Amino acid sequence: AQSVTQPDIHITVSEGASLELRCNYSYGATPYLFWYVQSPGQGLQLLLKYFSGDTLVQGIKGFEAEFKRSQSSFNLRKPSVHWSDAAEYFCAVGLGGATNKLIFGTGTLLAVQP
Amino acid sequence: DAGITQSPRHKVTETGTPVTLRCHQTENHRYMYWYRQDPGHGLRLIHYSYGVKDTDKGEVSDGYSVSRSKTEDFLLTLESATSSQTSVYFCATHPTQETDTQYFGPGTRLTVL
Repeated sequence: AQSVTQPDIHITVSEGASLELRCNYSYGATPYLFWYVQSPGQGLQLLLKYFSGDTLVQGIKGFEAEFKRSQSSFNLRKPSVHWSDAAEYFCAVGLGGATNKLIFGTGTLLAVQP
Repeated sequence: DAGITQSPRHKVTETGTPVTLRCHQTENHRYMYWYRQDPGHGLRLIHYSYGVKDTDKGEVSDGYSVSRSKTEDFLLTLESATSSQTSVYFCATHPTQETDTQYFGPGTRLTVL
């Protein structure tokens, strides 16, 4: 069965420090992969997505993610975190096909210390 | 952002009462989805629609029904609300292609007492 694992429930980083959020997936075919961000009380906003081609994907707000097929991973990175990056981050795998359903991980809550 | 609105944004109701949540989109997207978000579970799919009057169940569909009589509207109904259905509900839309992005509404916070 398809699944997404985000092993870190909470992460705290200092402002200006680098960030890496982990995501592992289980899916039989070539996955469509997404990272969404949710600010408190808001809906989800797409940060970036991977479908094919270059395994390093650039997104909005200075985020990037790297698809590693051998590790079934799609980790999200940012070289220097800003206080406004404090939010919850969700990784998802897209099933494509006739439904375009998404399977979400349980999320990682990011806190940023001044 | 896709023009997705959800109504109501907040609702408090009592156990056993019917509740209908509305999702409205202005982008003419083909697919629409209802998710619920609970701590420790991320977002879980309740029902989805792949066209007018075409709907199917997601992973947590028990106790919920949906209807889509127009492209722009997708209704989620709790026939008899229970406390376990206290949650934040998100509607999402997806244009057509696999490579398209799924867009999310602002959410509805439902409390069942």
